[in-house]
Amino acid sequence: QSVLTQPPSASGTPGQRVTISCSGSNSNIYNNYVHWYQQLPGAAPKLLIYRNIQRPSGVPDRFSGSKSGTSASLAISGLRSEDEADYFCSSWDDSLSGPVFGGGTKLTVL
Amino acid sequence: QVQLVESGGGVARPGRSLRLSCAVSGFTFSSYGMHWVRQAPGKGLEWVALILFDGSETNYAESVKGRFTISRDNSKNTLYMEMNSLRSEDTAVYYCAKDRHASGRGGMDVWGQGTTVTVSS
Repeated sequence: QSVLTQPPSASGTPGQRVTISCSGSNSNIYNNYVHWYQQLPGAAPKLLIYRNIQRPSGVPDRFSGSKSGTSASLAISGLRSEDEADYFCSSWDDSLSGPVFGGGTKLTVL
Repeated sequence: QVQLVESGGGVARPGRSLRLSCAVSGFTFSSYGMHWVRQAPGKGLEWVALILFDGSETNYAESVKGRFTISRDNSKNTLYMEMNSLRSEDTAVYYCAKDRHASGRGGMDVWGQGTTVTVSS
């Protein structure tokens, strides 16, 4: 059972916009930044969004993050086949004194 | 370029030990917090341990507290994890990851390729 809650799956067709939610609590998301990671099949995770809304260099602006209260969301616009991957949210947890992850969302591009 | 290379994984019997290493290059290792994160087969990511930039503080997930020890040698640009009293549930791919900040709270912006640990009798 993950500390952060994500839907196990999401899907969309090429060109569509999809969103992935991440729900937490006061001890993590409410008081701390949220980060998002993309894990392509067979690869290591990659930082996609940090500090709720920031994109590392090289990440397309099709990817965007948001946060409100104890929840956060990742939006992917102009969906492409290469976006098919697992997506994980993460936030520092003050009670656990460490980062926590969501269970991951498997995105399928139909 | 920035690179993290893990080693030391393998097969171990329950109750035995393994030591993982993570050799880093391409950035000032001594300026950043470092993490170990694991992923059991077919499962999600689980944070395991954190060490601050200077090694002054470490934190662990409850599932490994008292059994695993994270350490670093800034003179050798290497991160370690000593894993004792291994259990079957420790079977996973273990990734080392660089944090964006010295504190370990900034998000993990560089990951290694992972090393596989299998605990089985």
